[in-house]
Amino acid sequence: GAVVSQHPSRVICKSGTSVKIECRSLDFQATTMFWYRQFPKQSLMLMATSNEGSKATYEQGVEKDKFLINHASLTLSTLTVTSAHPEDSSFYICSARPGLADRDTQYFGPGTRLTVL
Amino acid sequence: GQQLNQSPQSMFIQEGEDVSMNCTSSSIFNTWLWYKQDPGEGPVLLIALYKAGELTSNGRLTAQFGITRKDSFLNISASIPSDVGIYFCAGRVRGGATNKLIFGTGTLLAVQP
Repeated sequence: GAVVSQHPSRVICKSGTSVKIECRSLDFQATTMFWYRQFPKQSLMLMATSNEGSKATYEQGVEKDKFLINHASLTLSTLTVTSAHPEDSSFYICSARPGLADRDTQYFGPGTRLTVL
Repeated sequence: GQQLNQSPQSMFIQEGEDVSMNCTSSSIFNTWLWYKQDPGEGPVLLIALYKAGELTSNGRLTAQFGITRKDSFLNISASIPSDVGIYFCAGRVRGGATNKLIFGTGTLLAVQP
């Protein structure tokens, strides 16, 4: 199946610093990429949807100035957690789809574990 | 954010037993998907359902898209230890700019050899 990669897989940072997470679709062009956050023992919660070349659409309650998303190409989206705090510690998972047809599968990356000290 | 109700929350079974879990929603979905997530990894797609009433199998897994389009179930037959993980249902509504996927609350499956 299609492959979506994330980098880094794990990051530890100090409170107040910014962290960038990359999401790449390795063998297909992704018209749409999604960013999810998952707290321990909980489900995946959609944070935002990004389409290449346009501004991301954020879910209610997600601060767009804190979670900056850039979808610069059809194979790369980045999530920057700005001025990270301990409550931002979570598992961040990206996802990508080649198109918007019903049968266009949504593939998930392996996730990035963020720990803010 | 919106979530689908998934049950049971967890299951502890013996190897060889069959498993059934389901997902319900107050909203209608056009697509139902079932994913499995291992610890520290992203979800992996197991089965995709696109039509109301559709019944689809993938090896020992069988899933159905409910007639009302508000529910779906997943069955696993003859469970084995590697079936251990968290199973999520997900629903998608067609239309709009995003076609976003809404996830269920998850079912933790533990299989004892």
